Amino acid sequence: QSALTQPASVSGSPGQSITISCTGTSSDVGGYNYVSWYQQHPGKAPKLMIYGVSNRPSGVSNRFSGSKSGNTASLTISGLQAEDAGDYYCSSYTASGLVVFGGGTKLTVL
Amino acid sequence: QVQLQESGPGLVKPSQTLSLTCTVSGGSISSGDYYWSWIRQHPGKGLEWIGYIYYSGRTYYNPSLKSRLTISVATSTNQFSLNLSSVTAADTAVYYCARRVAALAMFDPWGQGTLVTVSS
Repeated sequence: QSALTQPASVSGSPGQSITISCTGTSSDVGGYNYVSWYQQHPGKAPKLMIYGVSNRPSGVSNRFSGSKSGNTASLTISGLQAEDAGDYYCSSYTASGLVVFGGGTKLTVL
Repeated sequence: QVQLQESGPGLVKPSQTLSLTCTVSGGSISSGDYYWSWIRQHPGKGLEWIGYIYYSGRTYYNPSLKSRLTISVATSTNQFSLNLSSVTAADTAVYYCARRVAALAMFDPWGQGTLVTVSS
């Protein structure tokens, strides 16, 4: 199974909005509404930010939102804050009953 | 609140078997709502899904690791384990255990992770 495709890096200034894309195929992202997004800070375990394409777990800021169109899912962070800096990973359920992650995107807050 | 904690050797010799255990606290591993998962992260790299197990023992493995991989569950001790055989330096990584919500394919929570180095 091939990793989902994410941009290596994105950046934005405080207060701005950024979007991270996650591209797969019709056998994973496009075929199921089971895309999740994780935030990871250096030396820490990943933290779930979005599940089921667009759902936020309790405690996650409403500045984080998710969507999907075809084989591409997106994570949007609005009102960018310094603490949003870190690595972001998408994942998707696959037709084989397995899970695949994206390669990760480094978010820099300028 | 469910918590997961990895344990096991931090150093493994090449060609040997890497063995890790994840202890689940605050909830039962026998719940039918979850799969119990292993995920790893090579130094400075992205996340790689290794596999997961249902409380019944049904397993799902990453095809790239399947020939060397065994994941097992011990409901009596609320633990699940990872065995990866014939390791090489390429298996050096931080290994995380995580709970996957069965119906949603999302991982939450995660253990803190444990670094395993393969070196002689």
